[in-house]
Amino acid sequence: QSVLTQPPSVSGAPGQRVTISCTGTSSNIGGLYDVHWYQQIPGTAPKLLFYGNNNRPSGVPDRFSVSKSGTSASLAITGLQAEDEAEYYCQTYDSSLNGYVFGSGTKVTVL
Amino acid sequence: QVTLKESGPALVKPTQTLTLTCTFSGFSLSRSGMRVIWIRQPPGQGLEWLARIDWDDDKFYSRSLETRLTMSTDTSKNQVVLRMTNMDPVDTATYYCARCMAADGDAFDTWGQGIMVTVSS
Repeated sequence: QSVLTQPPSVSGAPGQRVTISCTGTSSNIGGLYDVHWYQQIPGTAPKLLFYGNNNRPSGVPDRFSVSKSGTSASLAITGLQAEDEAEYYCQTYDSSLNGYVFGSGTKVTVL
Repeated sequence: QVTLKESGPALVKPTQTLTLTCTFSGFSLSRSGMRVIWIRQPPGQGLEWLARIDWDDDKFYSRSLETRLTMSTDTSKNQVVLRMTNMDPVDTATYYCARCMAADGDAFDTWGQGIMVTVSS
């Protein structure tokens, strides 16, 4: 059972906008720790998508954006493309566990 | 270019000790702020953080697994070794190592390809 809660799946047609929520508590996201996002295409290792709350590594398209408020964070994909089909995970640090925690993962399907 | 690669056995028996090696290049673990992380992912499931080793040799382990995990480094070989004792079939997973930098809020910015480890008699 993951410490951070994400919806199991979201879907959208090409060109649409989808959002993925990541809900935590005051000991992780609410504790002002940086939230990071990863994309995992089936059969491959996760890839860093966003770090430090709102920093995009080079090569990540700007149709991806993130936000954070209170004990929740979210990832948005605008102009959804077929190549965006993947599993997405949020991740941060948890002070009560003294360790890193991941979200449960969200599968994005492009209809 | 930063790269990491995991190596070790694909199959271990229950109660055995798993030894995995992460060989990396393109950065120095001796540099202030550098860390190497271990994560695992059971088949069809999510990601679980296991352990972290820092540039100053500080080590941190997942609270749920800390009695079974140990890490060591060989900086001359650019390697980090993870040992997990008393393996069980529930430990069947793909094990990843990744680089982590304190300056980037501890994001795991580069991952190895992963190694699938099956625990079975």
